[in-house]
Amino acid sequence: KAGVTQTPRYLIKTRGQQVTLSCSPISGHRSVSWYQQTPGQGLQFLFEYFSETQRNKGNFPGRFSGRQFSNSRSEMNVSTLELGDSALYLCASSSNQGEQYFGPGTRLTVT
Amino acid sequence: TQLLEQSPQFLSIQEGENLTVYCNSSSVFSSLQWYRQEPGEGPVLLVTVVTGGEVKKLKRLTFQFGDARKDSSLHITAAQPGDTGLYLCAGGRYNNNDMRFGAGTRLTVKP
Repeated sequence: KAGVTQTPRYLIKTRGQQVTLSCSPISGHRSVSWYQQTPGQGLQFLFEYFSETQRNKGNFPGRFSGRQFSNSRSEMNVSTLELGDSALYLCASSSNQGEQYFGPGTRLTVT
Repeated sequence: TQLLEQSPQFLSIQEGENLTVYCNSSSVFSSLQWYRQEPGEGPVLLVTVVTGGEVKKLKRLTFQFGDARKDSSLHITAAQPGDTGLYLCAGGRYNNNDMRFGAGTRLTVKP
């Protein structure tokens, strides 16, 4: 089976812009979770989608949003980018057994 | 404040040495997962433990889940340079897809 794929791998944006990141889960996995990883805060949970519905949400501002499509692919959007949004954004897909498999991440740099 | 505390934060050892890293919490988890992450990549799942007191072995790696399901340890025997990486533990509380991560232990094994 192909693993979790994320696009793009690298992105540079300017403060105030918005960005959309994409994640394709492992075939057959219906749950997709998003995380932000920074050196100072570690891995922090953003949200989880299951069958096109947000099932869990972390403590991030409303500028961070996501959605999931009928084929389980997911996107996350960050609006009005801030310097502090620079991070590695990771997507993980889960089977019914709950084990999470991560993609390689999207490295976002905000200047 | 991290829900899961990992120690030590950094560990640098020589090839062939043994080591143990810890993952502690005041919360009870339904399951606990260990991951290893290399620079520029997403975390790779090593093991999932679900039963209090459970011990799992993966070649030179031994994982233990505490009896009360609040803590876990990872022991590596005869460490090798290929073991270098960031070791993360993650606990599942409400459902297995709502995972909370520790800050990680960054291990360096010198040849």
